[in-house]
Amino acid sequence: SQQGEEDPQALSIQEGENATMNCSYKTSINNLQWYRQNSGRGLVHLILIRSNEREKHSGRLRVTLDTSKKSSSLLITASRAADTASYFCATGPGGGSNYKLTFGKGTLLTVNP
Amino acid sequence: DVKVTQSSRYLVKRTGEKVFLECVQDMDHENMFWYRQDPGLGLRLIYFSYDVKMKEKGDIPEGYSVSREKKERFSLILESASTNQTSMYLCASSLLFDGYTFGSGTRLTVV
Repeated sequence: SQQGEEDPQALSIQEGENATMNCSYKTSINNLQWYRQNSGRGLVHLILIRSNEREKHSGRLRVTLDTSKKSSSLLITASRAADTASYFCATGPGGGSNYKLTFGKGTLLTVNP
Repeated sequence: DVKVTQSSRYLVKRTGEKVFLECVQDMDHENMFWYRQDPGLGLRLIYFSYDVKMKEKGDIPEGYSVSREKKERFSLILESASTNQTSMYLCASSLLFDGYTFGSGTRLTVV
């Protein structure tokens, strides 16, 4: 399995601080994605970074990808209480005609007001 | 706004019942997926479909089947519900090599 693994499992910060979450994976990928899940709800797609990209930005989000280390990081800048959620990385397989993501177990981020 | 709709947010069923979980998307996506989510285990893929009437087993298909008769609808069937199938079930859809759009989830309890 090429399951991504997030680190840390839980992170607690104060509002206004930056939050960094990491993801490691095992095999070659086509792309890596980050999702957010508010408690008891479905996942929401945040950002996708392709294997030939090194960095991508979307609003307060910054994602990096290092394919040589098989790792990615998600940075949320100037965090808000509303950012409190679980964050998952997911890897899309390299090669093949079918497409399915494999998800990690997530990082629980708590942003304290 | 694009949408994936799961028919029930909460469901309680008895052991041995046949259970249908319905998922409908309005985005003309080829791919549709069923995952279950359990504490400490993350999301695990049950089945997926990349075209009408096509299906492939995911990582944990035992005890489940699926149906995709129309492009927009992907149904998950628990043939004979058991207590170990108590879980949060998440449906998603996507275009090829694109991000997933998830439904809100169905929390199923089997008693």
